[in-house]
Amino acid sequence: GQQLNQSPQSMFIQEGEDVSMNCTSSSIFNTWLWYKQDPGEGPVLLIALYKAGELTSNGRLTAQFGITRKDSFLNISASIPSDVGIYFCAGQLKAGKSTFGDGTTLTVKP
Amino acid sequence: SQTIHQWPATLVQPVGSPLSLECTVEGTSNPNLYWYRQAAGRGLQLLFYSVGIGQISSEVPQNLSASRPQDRQFILSSKKLLLSDSGFYLCAWSYQGYGYTFGSGTRLTVV
Repeated sequence: GQQLNQSPQSMFIQEGEDVSMNCTSSSIFNTWLWYKQDPGEGPVLLIALYKAGELTSNGRLTAQFGITRKDSFLNISASIPSDVGIYFCAGQLKAGKSTFGDGTTLTVKP
Repeated sequence: SQTIHQWPATLVQPVGSPLSLECTVEGTSNPNLYWYRQAAGRGLQLLFYSVGIGQISSEVPQNLSASRPQDRQFILSSKKLLLSDSGFYLCAWSYQGYGYTFGSGTRLTVV
């Protein structure tokens, strides 16, 4: 089946720094999604991307759908302590079924 | 607004015992419903999904089963739990399949 490689696996940054993480796949997707999971909770959808090349922002978060349709990245600008959590990318080839990456664990030091 | 309810939040069950986790969605009709499992420090593995009442697709062979007796109810079951069934179980719904809304999860520990 399809697999996503998400990197880095973990990040330790200082408050105020920018963050960048990405997801790559050996096969194409038609939709890319980014989620954040707080400890003990279900993931929450942050950004959805529907077209190759699309760049979408949600506050301090920016995500892009790679033009090859095999990758996506998520940037967080000026990180704050509440950005701590696990960030997941997910790809969909068709509506309904998502393949998830293994997540990037973000730690922000005040 | 749409809400998703999942319970219980935590569960400790002995090996060989049965399991029933329930998920209900409010505020929408005919949602796509999903059960995912998350092992510690790992991503989410799709277990089952359903596009309508009585319609269940299984993604991986396993010791679990799912049922959808009503439009907005999704149940995950097992007749006899194994140690390897431990994990964080997440129910999710989507409208027309794009982007999921997850429940708050059930932490299952099989002892």
